[in-house]
Formats: sequence, structure tokens, C-alpha cells
Amino acid sequence: GDSVTQMEGPVTLSEEAFLTINCTYTATGYPSLFWYVQYPGEGLQLLLKATKADDKGSNKGFEATYRKETTSFHLEKGSVQVSDSAVYFCALGGSQGNLIFGKGTKLSVKP
Amino acid sequence: EPEVTQTPSHQVTQMGQEVILRCVPISNHLYFYWYRQILGQKVEFLVSFYNNEISEKSEIFDDQFSVERPDGSNFTLKIRSTKLEDSAMYFCASSDKVVRTSRTDTQYFGPGTRLTVL
Repeated sequence: GDSVTQMEGPVTLSEEAFLTINCTYTATGYPSLFWYVQYPGEGLQLLLKATKADDKGSNKGFEATYRKETTSFHLEKGSVQVSDSAVYFCALGGSQGNLIFGKGTKLSVKP
Repeated sequence: EPEVTQTPSHQVTQMGQEVILRCVPISNHLYFYWYRQILGQKVEFLVSFYNNEISEKSEIFDDQFSVERPDGSNFTLKIRSTKLEDSAMYFCASSDKVVRTSRTDTQYFGPGTRLTVL
């Protein structure tokens, strides 16, 4: 069945460091892909999405490109801030209309 | 900005008791969902709801669970007889459309209800 695999955390970075969180997926067809973020004590917020191959989603300095050939949707940010500390979830749109999530990657950014 | 709200934020119950978790989706949205996240594990899909009936449900959503849209604004998840393993964070989500051909539109999540079963 459809599934999402993302890199294990936690990830600890210094402020202004470059961030990559890897995400790969297995799916039939060409699903929409999403990154959600969960700040401490809060719910899931959509960070960005891409709906077809080669699309690039971007928001708040984060980017991810839908790579069909490598079935990947890696999240990147050029310069992280302390306020980016959160748990990041990669997800794909399942054939049932639901979202299928990865396990989440906890990011901690130190000043 | 419109948002999904959930109440209560934390519910503690005894094993075997019934609980109802409440959600108010975004007002013009038509599709509603429940997910759960057991501590340290993935966010898992439970059920989707459209046009006053269940659209899809996962294996987790057994006879102990039910959903209802009792009025024009609320969307509820009921667990009839809670078990210890039902302890989790429960998220409600809504979207304004589902695009067919294996594409899913953006779902907007509430802050969650933490359910603790003792």
C-alpha cells in the first residue's frame, strides 16, 4: 500500500544552518505531496504542498520539489531560525482522500 | 483566518467509558476527517465523512467508533467503550474538496484533543 518514509530524528542544528529533511514515498498513481509542521503544543499546520511532478512547493523559506523519478519530496531551508523548531511531517494524498503521514522528524534549532 | 477548533483540549476517562470528541470544521468545508496520533507514533487516518455519511474508514475505525454531524457546524467522534490503547491525540481536519484520480486536496487540522484512558 501507499506509504511515506522520512528521515529519523531528532535533528539539531545551529541557527542559520542549512536544513534538509528527506522524504520518500511509495504510491500508485501520482499523489499530491505535503509537508505539515507541528509546533510544540499545537496541531498540524500545512507548510507547503505540490500536486504534480516537478512542482516546487514553498512557504516561509522552506521548499520541496516533487521528484517522480526518485519518488522523493525532500524539505529544505537555507537558513533555519530558532522559531523553526518543531516536528515536520511528510504526507501523501491517499486514494481514499485521506492523508498518509510519515513518522515525523523533530527539529531543534539552537541559538 | 478560518480555523478548525476542537474541544476539549484534554479528556481523561476511565476504561470502558464513552467519550465524545467535538470539532467545528471550517464553515464552508464539505469533507471532514478524524486522525489519531498515539504518542511517538505516526498520525493515522481513522475516517472521512461527506454528505452526512462515512466516505472511507481505516481498519482502526471499528464498531467502537462512530461519527456524526449533529447540526450544521459540529462534527463529533464517539468512542463507545474506551480502552487503554485508545489513549492518543485525536485530530479533526476538514477540506473544501477532494480531487479525484488519487489526488487529495489540502486538509486543515484542528489543535487536537488529547485523550487519556486510565
